[in-house]
Amino acid sequence: DAGVIQSPRHEVTEMGQEVTLRCKPISGHDYLFWYRQTMMRGLELLIYFNNNVPIDDSGMPEDRFSAKMPNASFSTLKIQPSEPRDSAVYFCASLPTPGLAGTITYNEQFFGPGTRLTVL
Amino acid sequence: AQSVTQLGSHVSVSEGALVLLRCNYSSSVPPYLFWYVQYPNQGLQLLLKYTSAATLVKGINGFEAEFKKSETSFHLTKPSAHMSDAAEYFCAVSDPDTGRRALTFGSGTRLQVQP
Repeated sequence: DAGVIQSPRHEVTEMGQEVTLRCKPISGHDYLFWYRQTMMRGLELLIYFNNNVPIDDSGMPEDRFSAKMPNASFSTLKIQPSEPRDSAVYFCASLPTPGLAGTITYNEQFFGPGTRLTVL
Repeated sequence: AQSVTQLGSHVSVSEGALVLLRCNYSSSVPPYLFWYVQYPNQGLQLLLKYTSAATLVKGINGFEAEFKKSETSFHLTKPSAHMSDAAEYFCAVSDPDTGRRALTFGSGTRLQVQP
């Protein structure tokens, strides 16, 4: 399996521009998570989906952030308009549903390589 | 809400020395606990996990961790550090009872290995 795939790996943009980050979870994983990593706040959950439905978006900073999962193999995190304080590494992670198809999981998540976003 | 505390944002050891990275959790019930490692400019990789099957858990790259309920701790150890162990290490917790699948991470510990 190719693992969790994120694109782009690096994004540099100017304040006010729209930014779209993309994630492809591991095939068969029904949960998808978006995390943000900064020096000040560490790793924090932004939102997670189960079967393409948002379950917990309490970590989404504000209305400028939105996330979608139109199908089981693709998710986007959009920032519009972007601000310098959004500069961070954004990680996507996925998780199989416990008990399905013989899987036993204890919530250990599989992470993508991250997207490093710089907003100037 | 669950939380995880990692004591020491930076730890420096000599090559061949014992590695000890500390993690304490706050939870009313024994949670699932994880250690992840992050190498520079890479994503997080699972080192090991505690799921109540055994209190001493062995992971990859010679790391192990011991769950101590009385101390609410899950410290990570490695008997002999290698230069390739230099990375950032994160302890994370998940509640098995609520059905919430997200992880709560500690602030991380950066391990330096001196030659």
